Amino acid sequence: QSALTQPPSASGSPGQSVTISCTGTSSDIGGYNYVSWYQQHPGKAPKLMIYEVTKRPSGVPDRFSGSKSGNTASLTVSGLQAEDEADYYCSSYAGTDIVFGTGTKVTVL
Amino acid sequence: VQLAESGGGVVQPGRSLRLSCAASGLSFRSYGMQWVRQAPGRGLEWVAVIWYDGSKKYYVDSVKGRFTISRENSKNTVYLQMNSLRAEDTAVYYCATARGSYGDYGDHWGQGTLVTVSS
Repeated sequence: QSALTQPPSASGSPGQSVTISCTGTSSDIGGYNYVSWYQQHPGKAPKLMIYEVTKRPSGVPDRFSGSKSGNTASLTVSGLQAEDEADYYCSSYAGTDIVFGTGTKVTVL
Repeated sequence: VQLAESGGGVVQPGRSLRLSCAASGLSFRSYGMQWVRQAPGRGLEWVAVIWYDGSKKYYVDSVKGRFTISRENSKNTVYLQMNSLRAEDTAVYYCATARGSYGDYGDHWGQGTLVTVSS
């Protein structure tokens, strides 16, 4: 399985919104509604932000939202805050495997 | 919920290493578990998953035949036996829960253990 494709970087000013795309194929994102998103700060373990395309675990702010269209999933962070600056990874179920995205570094300007 | 990995270290190419992940604060025998790794400065890579009862196990192609995931529910522990290690296996290895219908997301993660494969 090849890694899902994400833009290397994204940025926005505090209070603005940023959207990260995650492109796969019909064998992963397009074939299942099992897309997740993780946030990772430097030197820390990943943290689950979104699962099953649109669901938020308890404790995750509703500023974070997920969606999917065809073979592309997206994560939107609204009302950017300084603590949102981190790396973000998507992942998708792919039949028996799990495949991660290439990662996007979000910078809060 | 706490997940604590151990067993990492420096190992020569071709040698073996066994990682352990001790879980607490959850009903371990009800949870699927997975290993995910991250090479230095690189992205996340899924390695393996094991069903809550050990009945199903799946691996990324690059470790098939070399790595084995297992669990002891009586000890709340999941393992990753790594044989025939290669330089490209060098990474921080995280254990995580594997939730959802297909173990497709991890809602709890350990802090990771570093494996360095070098002569």
